[in-house]
Amino acid sequence: NAGVTQTPKFQVLKTGQSMTLQCAQDMNHEYMSWYRQDPGMGLRLIHYSVGAGITDQGEVPNGYNVSRSTTEDFPLRLLSAAPSQTSVYFCASSFTGEGQPQHFGDGTRLSIL
Amino acid sequence: TQLLEQSPQFLSIQEGENLTVYCNSSSVFSSLQWYRQEPGEGPVLLVTVVTGGEVKKLKRLTFQFGDARKDSSLHITAAQPGDTGLYLCAGAKSFQKLVFGTGTRLLVSP
Repeated sequence: NAGVTQTPKFQVLKTGQSMTLQCAQDMNHEYMSWYRQDPGMGLRLIHYSVGAGITDQGEVPNGYNVSRSTTEDFPLRLLSAAPSQTSVYFCASSFTGEGQPQHFGDGTRLSIL
Repeated sequence: TQLLEQSPQFLSIQEGENLTVYCNSSSVFSSLQWYRQEPGEGPVLLVTVVTGGEVKKLKRLTFQFGDARKDSSLHITAAQPGDTGLYLCAGAKSFQKLVFGTGTRLLVSP
């Protein structure tokens, strides 16, 4: 079982560049989300989706776009990278319903120079 | 706004010692989850607590949800090097949106 797969694992960008972080899950989960993890701040929710075609903003959405064209895929786009977006990004998925365990990918470590 | 504060932020102990990690908030949560994260990996769920006052045990780990559902604790008995990792609490406020705590990094030395 692949679970949640994130690519790439590492990426270095220059300020102003754009890129897409990929996330795919094979567990038929309806709910998918993106978090960023910064030292001493835990994980903060960027965007989430409750199903194909439906997305919504989380706590820190500025500078990021998402789309959900299929149940399996939930890419995160950085429109114009800024040094403040240097972080580790995690994608998670779960079945719908409160208290459902979130299944996380192994993260993408992103550095913006 | 960080709604969940964890303490301590860092804990370094010897194998066999006991420890408690706290997760505190001024907000009420409908449920609370604890995750453990190892370097280079994503968090993995340990437990979910739902009812105020609920206590759950997972081998040497004991989780408690506060009566008012604003706080939680994780107690580890006789810690082992395999318990080393980053422990994160996460509270559910609306639908499935989770608010994560600041994290407690635990190092257990042989």
